Amino acid sequence: QSALTQPRSVSGSPGQSVTISCTGSSSDVGNYDYVSWFQHHPGKVPKVVIYDVTKRPSGVPERFSGSKSGNTASLTISGLQAEDEGDYYCCSYAGSYNYVFGSGTQVAVL
Amino acid sequence: QEQLVESGGGVVQPGRSLRLSCAASGFSFSTYVMHWVRQAPGKGLEWVAVVSYDGTNQYYADSVRGRFSISRDNSRDTVYLQMNTLKVEDTAVYYCVRARLFVLDSWGQGSLVTVS
Repeated sequence: QSALTQPRSVSGSPGQSVTISCTGSSSDVGNYDYVSWFQHHPGKVPKVVIYDVTKRPSGVPERFSGSKSGNTASLTISGLQAEDEGDYYCCSYAGSYNYVFGSGTQVAVL
Repeated sequence: QEQLVESGGGVVQPGRSLRLSCAASGFSFSTYVMHWVRQAPGKGLEWVAVVSYDGTNQYYADSVRGRFSISRDNSRDTVYLQMNTLKVEDTAVYYCVRARLFVLDSWGQGSLVTVS
């Protein structure tokens, strides 16, 4: 049950695109199309921005998109905005009701 | 509107026990799998435990297996986390989370547990 690997931080200017990677294994990310991404602002509750690798919940801006290749999933934020600053976590189903989270990535808007 | 409200957190000495509760409302509780997720100070999110719809199946993270026990009472729309033999490294905010299919889609506000 090792945490999925994410970059510690990424940054971009307003309007730019940033991509966060999430690397797991054939037991989790590579074996299931059940990767979610959470946005977490300090003091608030984590919020799903992408689920099932590519799906976006209602109310989440279209600038958030997800993808997966092999054991690595990715979250792309296009047209970065100030309110996108915060921590982002990937999460993958790992079988038998189990889940594993990523190590977290801090997104900074310059 | 679905709501999850945790309670039972606080300060406890190492080696002691604590039980968290999570009261659900606004949805059909007995049809959802329920989880506990925690976040230690300055650290990332960590999945802790899960209980099946009817409470017959439970699974745990390696870090808590054998010390923590998750259960539910569908007549009370409540899920519990019994935490025994607590360690300093169990200090965290504990979130009660609902799973819709394979998405952790609804989170409580969290309950702080401090082991010191």
